[in-house]
Amino acid sequence: GESVGLHLPTLSVQEGDNSIINCAYSNSASDYFIWYKQESGKGPQFIIDIRSNMDKRQGQRVTVLLNKTVKHLSLQIAATQPGDSAVYFCAENIGYKLSFGAGTTVTVRA
Amino acid sequence: GAVVSQHPSRVICKSGTSVKIECRSLDFQATTMFWYRQFPKQSLMLMATSNEGSKATYEQGVEKDKFLINHASLTLSTLTVTSAHPEDSSFYICSARRLAGGTQETQYFGPGTRLLVL
Repeated sequence: GESVGLHLPTLSVQEGDNSIINCAYSNSASDYFIWYKQESGKGPQFIIDIRSNMDKRQGQRVTVLLNKTVKHLSLQIAATQPGDSAVYFCAENIGYKLSFGAGTTVTVRA
Repeated sequence: GAVVSQHPSRVICKSGTSVKIECRSLDFQATTMFWYRQFPKQSLMLMATSNEGSKATYEQGVEKDKFLINHASLTLSTLTVTSAHPEDSSFYICSARRLAGGTQETQYFGPGTRLLVL
């Protein structure tokens, strides 16, 4: 079946720099996408979402971009901080279910 | 708002015993709750969807008699791992969708329960 996948399993970024995490999805029926952050030993934490009728959405220090033409989703984190170190998952919503990608581990260097 | 709790946070049990995990939505009513399993360094895998007052819907490959789900109210769902074995050791996470939410409704996740079967 179709699923969400992530480019690059790990990302190392210098504190203060911007981070970009990418995600490819293959199900054209997906209508809603969410980025989650998961710290070690904890449950996923909602970061930001975007609906399929949008191509960009901004939050506090985060921006999600959606390119439906190439089925690509990205999460940009501005001025990355040590507290941003975690695993980031994109998830696509199909009906009422979420399908998660493999996850990208972000490590922030001091 | 949108806080989901799980209890216990960590459990160690002997092989052959059953373990119950509770998932509660604390400040909202959840029409639907979901149970996921996550192995180390892997993604979340949906196990089942739980609707209040009806039978759970299990994903392919998940044994319904092994993982019993009860959704007793709009704020509580339980997962019971029956006759647990070491291969059931994992991180179990629940999530909840708000009542009257459409399909584009965010799922809010609990903190997870670490199960270790000896």
